[in-house]
Amino acid sequence: AQSVTQLGSHVSVSEGALVLLRCNYSSSVPPYLFWYVQYPNQGLQLLLKYTTGATLVKGINGFEAEFKKSETSFHLTKPSAHMSDAAEYFCAVGQAAGNKLTFGGGTRVLVKP
Amino acid sequence: EAGVAQSPRYKIIEKRQSVAFWCNPISGHATLYWYQQILGQGPKLLIQFQNNGVVDDSQLPKDRFSAERLKGVDSTLKIQPAKLEDSAVYLCASSLDVTGGDGYTFGSGTRLTVV
Repeated sequence: AQSVTQLGSHVSVSEGALVLLRCNYSSSVPPYLFWYVQYPNQGLQLLLKYTTGATLVKGINGFEAEFKKSETSFHLTKPSAHMSDAAEYFCAVGQAAGNKLTFGGGTRVLVKP
Repeated sequence: EAGVAQSPRYKIIEKRQSVAFWCNPISGHATLYWYQQILGQGPKLLIQFQNNGVVDDSQLPKDRFSAERLKGVDSTLKIQPAKLEDSAVYLCASSLDVTGGDGYTFGSGTRLTVV
Protein backbone atom coordinates (compact mmCIF):
# COMPACT_ATOMS: atom_id res chain seq x y z
CA ALA A 1 0.00 0.00 0.00
CA GLN A 2 1.17 3.53 -0.65
CA SER A 3 -0.08 6.94 0.36
CA VAL A 4 0.87 10.60 0.12
CA THR A 5 0.27 13.46 2.52
CA GLN A 6 0.71 17.05 1.45
CA LEU A 7 0.85 19.45 4.39
CA GLY A 8 -1.17 22.57 3.71
CA SER A 9 -3.89 22.75 1.12
CA HIS A 10 -3.08 26.41 0.44
CA VAL A 11 0.22 28.30 0.52
CA SER A 12 0.63 32.03 -0.01
CA VAL A 13 4.03 33.47 -0.88
CA SER A 14 5.29 36.85 -1.99
CA GLU A 15 6.88 37.24 -5.39
CA GLY A 16 10.60 36.60 -5.01
CA ALA A 17 10.23 34.60 -1.80
CA LEU A 18 11.05 30.95 -1.21
CA VAL A 19 8.43 28.41 -2.18
CA LEU A 20 8.33 25.30 0.02
CA LEU A 21 5.71 22.60 -0.49
CA ARG A 22 5.79 19.61 1.82
CA CYS A 23 5.16 16.01 0.87
CA ASN A 24 5.43 12.87 2.96
CA TYR A 25 4.80 9.40 1.63
CA SER A 26 4.44 5.84 2.73
CA SER A 27 5.44 2.92 0.57
CA SER A 28 6.20 -0.72 1.26
CA VAL A 29 8.89 -0.78 -1.44
CA PRO A 30 11.43 1.78 -2.67
CA PRO A 31 9.31 4.53 -4.14
CA TYR A 32 9.21 6.48 -7.33
CA LEU A 33 8.29 10.07 -6.42
CA PHE A 34 6.86 12.80 -8.58
CA TRP A 35 5.71 16.39 -8.44
CA TYR A 36 3.11 17.63 -10.90
CA VAL A 37 1.70 21.11 -11.47
CA GLN A 38 -1.84 21.83 -12.63
CA TYR A 39 -2.90 25.17 -14.04
CA PRO A 40 -6.61 26.04 -14.17
CA ASN A 41 -8.62 23.93 -16.60
CA GLN A 42 -5.56 21.99 -17.66
CA GLY A 43 -4.16 18.53 -17.09
CA LEU A 44 -1.20 17.76 -14.86
CA GLN A 45 2.31 18.56 -16.05
CA LEU A 46 5.35 16.74 -14.71
CA LEU A 47 7.72 19.04 -12.78
CA LEU A 48 10.27 16.49 -11.67
CA LYS A 49 10.73 12.90 -10.60
CA TYR A 50 12.89 10.72 -8.40
CA THR A 51 13.40 7.07 -9.29
CA THR A 52 16.95 6.11 -8.30
CA GLY A 53 20.32 7.79 -7.92
CA ALA A 54 20.87 11.36 -6.79
CA THR A 55 18.46 12.37 -4.08
CA LEU A 56 18.36 16.03 -5.08
CA VAL A 57 16.31 16.31 -8.23
CA LYS A 58 16.05 19.38 -10.42
CA GLY A 59 12.99 19.99 -12.51
CA ILE A 60 11.49 22.53 -14.84
CA ASN A 61 10.78 26.18 -14.03
CA GLY A 62 13.50 26.34 -11.36
CA PHE A 63 11.93 23.80 -9.01
CA GLU A 64 13.82 21.10 -7.17
CA ALA A 65 13.04 18.42 -4.62
CA GLU A 66 15.05 16.27 -2.27
CA PHE A 67 14.29 12.65 -1.45
CA LYS A 68 14.94 11.94 2.22
CA LYS A 69 14.39 8.28 2.94
CA SER A 70 14.82 8.62 6.70
CA GLU A 71 12.08 11.23 6.82
CA THR A 72 9.92 9.65 4.07
CA SER A 73 9.74 13.10 2.53
CA PHE A 74 10.00 14.66 -0.91
CA HIS A 75 9.56 18.40 -0.36
CA LEU A 76 9.45 20.76 -3.35
CA THR A 77 11.27 24.09 -3.32
CA LYS A 78 11.93 27.08 -5.52
CA PRO A 79 14.26 29.84 -4.30
CA SER A 80 12.31 32.73 -5.80
CA ALA A 81 8.61 32.65 -6.58
CA HIS A 82 7.26 34.12 -9.80
CA MET A 83 3.70 35.13 -10.51
CA SER A 84 3.49 32.35 -13.09
CA ASP A 85 4.04 29.77 -10.31
CA ALA A 86 0.47 30.28 -9.09
CA ALA A 87 -1.10 26.87 -9.62
CA GLU A 88 -1.93 23.65 -7.80
CA TYR A 89 0.86 21.22 -7.06
CA PHE A 90 0.51 17.50 -6.53
CA CYS A 91 2.96 15.05 -5.04
CA ALA A 92 2.65 11.43 -6.15
CA VAL A 93 4.21 8.09 -5.25
CA GLY A 94 4.54 4.99 -7.36
CA GLN A 95 6.26 1.65 -7.21
CA ALA A 96 8.72 0.17 -9.62
CA ALA A 97 6.64 -2.74 -10.82
CA GLY A 98 3.31 -2.32 -12.51
CA ASN A 99 3.42 1.26 -11.51
CA LYS A 100 0.31 3.20 -10.61
CA LEU A 101 0.59 6.62 -9.08
CA THR A 102 -1.09 7.60 -5.84
CA PHE A 103 -1.56 11.34 -5.52
CA GLY A 104 -1.70 13.63 -2.54
CA GLY A 105 -4.55 16.06 -2.05
CA GLY A 106 -2.70 18.95 -3.65
CA THR A 107 -1.42 22.35 -2.49
CA ARG A 108 -2.69 25.50 -4.12
CA VAL A 109 -0.03 28.20 -4.37
CA LEU A 110 -0.95 31.87 -4.43
CA VAL A 111 1.78 34.36 -5.34
CA LYS A 112 1.35 37.91 -4.07
CA PRO A 113 2.96 40.81 -5.90
CA GLU B 1 5.08 15.06 -30.29
CA ALA B 2 1.33 15.35 -29.96
CA GLY B 3 0.00 15.13 -26.43
CA VAL B 4 -2.76 13.03 -24.92
CA ALA B 5 -6.05 14.00 -26.55
CA GLN B 6 -9.34 13.87 -24.68
CA SER B 7 -12.88 14.74 -25.67
CA PRO B 8 -15.21 16.28 -24.90
CA ARG B 9 -13.71 19.02 -22.70
CA TYR B 10 -16.97 19.62 -20.86
CA LYS B 11 -20.16 17.64 -20.40
CA ILE B 12 -23.31 18.35 -18.44
CA ILE B 13 -25.85 15.56 -17.97
CA GLU B 14 -28.75 14.76 -15.72
CA LYS B 15 -28.46 12.03 -13.11
CA ARG B 16 -29.29 8.56 -14.38
CA GLN B 17 -28.18 9.47 -17.90
CA SER B 18 -25.17 7.85 -19.54
CA VAL B 19 -21.99 9.51 -20.77
CA ALA B 20 -18.80 8.46 -22.55
CA PHE B 21 -15.34 9.97 -22.65
CA TRP B 22 -12.67 9.36 -25.25
CA CYS B 23 -8.89 9.35 -24.96
CA ASN B 24 -6.11 9.05 -27.53
CA PRO B 25 -2.72 8.53 -25.87
CA ILE B 26 0.68 9.53 -27.18
CA SER B 27 1.72 7.33 -30.08
CA GLY B 28 3.69 4.33 -28.88
CA HIS B 29 2.64 4.60 -25.26
CA ALA B 30 1.53 1.14 -24.21
CA THR B 31 0.19 2.07 -20.79
CA LEU B 32 -2.99 4.13 -20.42
CA TYR B 33 -4.66 5.34 -17.24
CA TRP B 34 -7.99 6.91 -16.37
CA TYR B 35 -8.09 9.05 -13.25
CA GLN B 36 -11.00 10.77 -11.52
CA GLN B 37 -10.31 14.15 -9.93
CA ILE B 38 -13.04 15.48 -7.67
CA LEU B 39 -12.88 19.21 -6.98
CA GLY B 40 -10.36 19.97 -4.27
CA GLN B 41 -8.82 16.51 -4.28
CA GLY B 42 -5.93 14.74 -5.94
CA PRO B 43 -6.54 12.42 -8.87
CA LYS B 44 -7.64 8.87 -8.06
CA LEU B 45 -6.85 5.97 -10.37
CA LEU B 46 -9.89 4.30 -11.90
CA ILE B 47 -8.29 1.88 -14.34
CA GLN B 48 -4.92 1.06 -15.88
CA PHE B 49 -4.43 -0.63 -19.26
CA GLN B 50 -1.31 -2.25 -20.65
CA ASN B 51 -1.91 -2.38 -24.40
CA ASN B 52 -5.51 -3.63 -24.54
CA GLY B 53 -5.41 -5.59 -21.28
CA VAL B 54 -6.56 -4.35 -17.88
CA VAL B 55 -3.77 -4.20 -15.29
CA ASP B 56 -5.68 -2.64 -12.40
CA ASP B 57 -9.37 -1.78 -12.10
CA SER B 58 -9.71 -2.29 -8.36
CA GLN B 59 -11.09 1.21 -7.78
CA LEU B 60 -13.45 1.29 -10.74
CA PRO B 61 -17.13 1.25 -9.63
CA LYS B 62 -17.99 -1.57 -11.94
CA ASP B 63 -21.72 -1.37 -11.36
CA ARG B 64 -21.81 1.88 -13.32
CA PHE B 65 -18.38 2.50 -14.86
CA SER B 66 -16.84 0.62 -17.76
CA ALA B 67 -13.76 1.19 -19.88
CA GLU B 68 -12.24 -0.41 -22.92
CA ARG B 69 -9.14 -0.14 -25.08
CA LEU B 70 -9.94 -2.53 -27.87
CA LYS B 71 -7.00 -2.04 -30.22
CA GLY B 72 -4.46 -1.05 -27.62
CA VAL B 73 -4.57 2.61 -28.66
CA ASP B 74 -7.70 4.73 -28.04
CA SER B 75 -9.77 4.22 -24.95
CA THR B 76 -13.30 5.06 -23.86
CA LEU B 77 -14.66 5.42 -20.34
CA LYS B 78 -18.41 5.13 -19.83
CA ILE B 79 -20.69 5.91 -16.92
CA GLN B 80 -24.19 4.45 -16.90
CA PRO B 81 -26.21 5.57 -15.01
CA ALA B 82 -24.52 8.70 -13.70
CA LYS B 83 -24.90 9.89 -10.12
CA LEU B 84 -24.43 13.36 -8.68
CA GLU B 85 -21.20 12.26 -6.99
CA ASP B 86 -19.68 11.42 -10.38
CA SER B 87 -19.22 15.15 -11.02
CA ALA B 88 -15.46 15.46 -11.48
CA VAL B 89 -12.70 15.91 -14.01
CA TYR B 90 -11.79 12.68 -15.76
CA LEU B 91 -8.13 12.62 -16.71
CA CYS B 92 -6.50 10.28 -19.16
CA ALA B 93 -2.75 9.69 -19.01
CA SER B 94 -0.26 7.53 -20.83
CA SER B 95 3.31 6.40 -20.27
CA LEU B 96 5.98 4.85 -22.47
CA ASP B 97 7.77 2.94 -19.76
CA VAL B 98 5.74 -0.04 -18.55
CA THR B 99 6.75 0.79 -14.99
CA GLY B 100 5.59 4.39 -15.32
CA GLY B 101 9.01 5.50 -14.13
CA ASP B 102 9.19 8.12 -16.84
CA GLY B 103 6.18 9.85 -15.40
CA TYR B 104 2.82 10.12 -17.03
CA THR B 105 1.67 12.54 -19.71
CA PHE B 106 -1.81 13.78 -18.91
CA GLY B 107 -4.53 15.05 -21.18
CA SER B 108 -6.47 18.22 -20.37
CA GLY B 109 -9.34 16.21 -18.96
CA THR B 110 -13.11 16.10 -19.36
CA ARG B 111 -15.07 18.07 -16.81
CA LEU B 112 -18.33 16.26 -16.04
CA THR B 113 -21.19 17.94 -14.22
CA VAL B 114 -24.12 15.76 -13.18
CA VAL B 115 -27.26 17.71 -12.27
